Formats: sequence, C-alpha cells, structure tokens
Amino acid sequence: DGGITQSPKYLFRKEGQNVTLSCEQNLNHDAMYWYRQDPGQGLRLIYYSQIVNDFQKGDIAEGYSVSREKKESFPLTVTSAQKNPTAFYLCASSIPTAKYQPQHFGDGTRLSIL
Amino acid sequence: AQSVTQLDSQVPVFEEAPVELRCNYSSSVSVYLFWYVQYPNQGLQLLLKYLSGSTLVESINGFEAEFNKSQTSFHLRKPSVHISDTAEYFCAVSPLSGGYNKLIFGAGTRLAVHP
Repeated sequence: DGGITQSPKYLFRKEGQNVTLSCEQNLNHDAMYWYRQDPGQGLRLIYYSQIVNDFQKGDIAEGYSVSREKKESFPLTVTSAQKNPTAFYLCASSIPTAKYQPQHFGDGTRLSIL
Repeated sequence: AQSVTQLDSQVPVFEEAPVELRCNYSSSVSVYLFWYVQYPNQGLQLLLKYLSGSTLVESINGFEAEFNKSQTSFHLRKPSVHISDTAEYFCAVSPLSGGYNKLIFGAGTRLAVHP
C-alpha cells in the first residue's frame, strides 16, 4: 500500500543536541511538507519542498533544517537553536500543482526534551 | 492572507446525538475547503472537501459540511454520532492562487462522544 512512513514514533532529545526525523513516501508525490502540531494551535508549516533539491521555508522555519536529495525522502533536523522543540511533528505529501488534491499525512513523530 | 477559526476547542456530546463543529475562514481570494480528522497519536485523514459545485458535501461515514460563501463558513455536521467518532477535527483552506498547495489550518476541535 502506498503511504507515508515517519520514524521514529517517539524521540527524546537532550539539551543542545540535534535530532533528525525521518519521512519517506512511496506515493510518487513531488511535493512534501513538514508541520509542527502543538495543543490548541493546529498545524503550522515548517518547511516544504515542491521538487527534489529544492525547498522553501514555511511559517516557523527557525531552528529547523531539511534536505531533499531524493523524491521519496524529506528528513527534518531539529537543531539546538530550536528552543522549544517539544511537539508532534507531521510529514505530508501531495501533487504540487493540483490544489484540489489533498495532502496525505504520516502518523507523526512525538519529540520530547529530556 | 488566509485564516481559519474553529469556534469550539472542545465539543462533548452523547452517543446518537447530533453534532455541529463550526468553522469560519477569512480570505481575500477564493479557496478550497477541507475537513481533516485526527485520531490519537496518528496523522490527519481527509474527511471531506469542497472544491466547487454543490455547497453540501458528504463523507462516507455520515459527516457532511456546507459551504456558505456569504458567511464564509464551512460547518461540519453529523446527525447521529458514534463513540468511534471521538477524535480531533481540523478545518483547513487552500487558496486557489499562489505557487504551491498551501494549507492553512484551524486550531482544531476535540469531539468527545460519551455513552
């Protein structure tokens, strides 16, 4: 079955440490997205990529970095510069130019600070 | 710019009762409208979408939403809820113009169905 796989499901970070969240899709979608979800705030866009080797900042990119070396993969690194990283992180993908096609979501990674 | 307001953060309801989850949006351009559902510790699943045509759209599990352009609303309704409908529901809009498939989400409404 086609879908989006996020790993790990739970992740713990020590102060000052960088961590990388994995997102892989086999839907053959060109566009991929990273969102952060906090209680009572809905989803906020961190980064998005419409094509391999290209990505753009979203609304809350500070303290995060991404890469898009393969169509199937869009890893997110939470750097030590992100002062409040505890959140639920969701990866999504879509056909980029068809706005009527919805984004498909993975099951998320919950990041906590030790 | 667009914004989405979900008027209720939590909605408790008894099983088999009707429910309405309210969503209002603001946009200077035309938008597509979506409702997503999120079960605990899972990602979001598309529940239904409005693109054009009939202002009333339905999902396969009994939910429906009505687009009201004059009131800029897209409220979600179900005439009789089940325990399994307990989840968080997100309203979202996507502007027709712009360079990518942008989604703007509301803060979510937590639906709690009680026996």
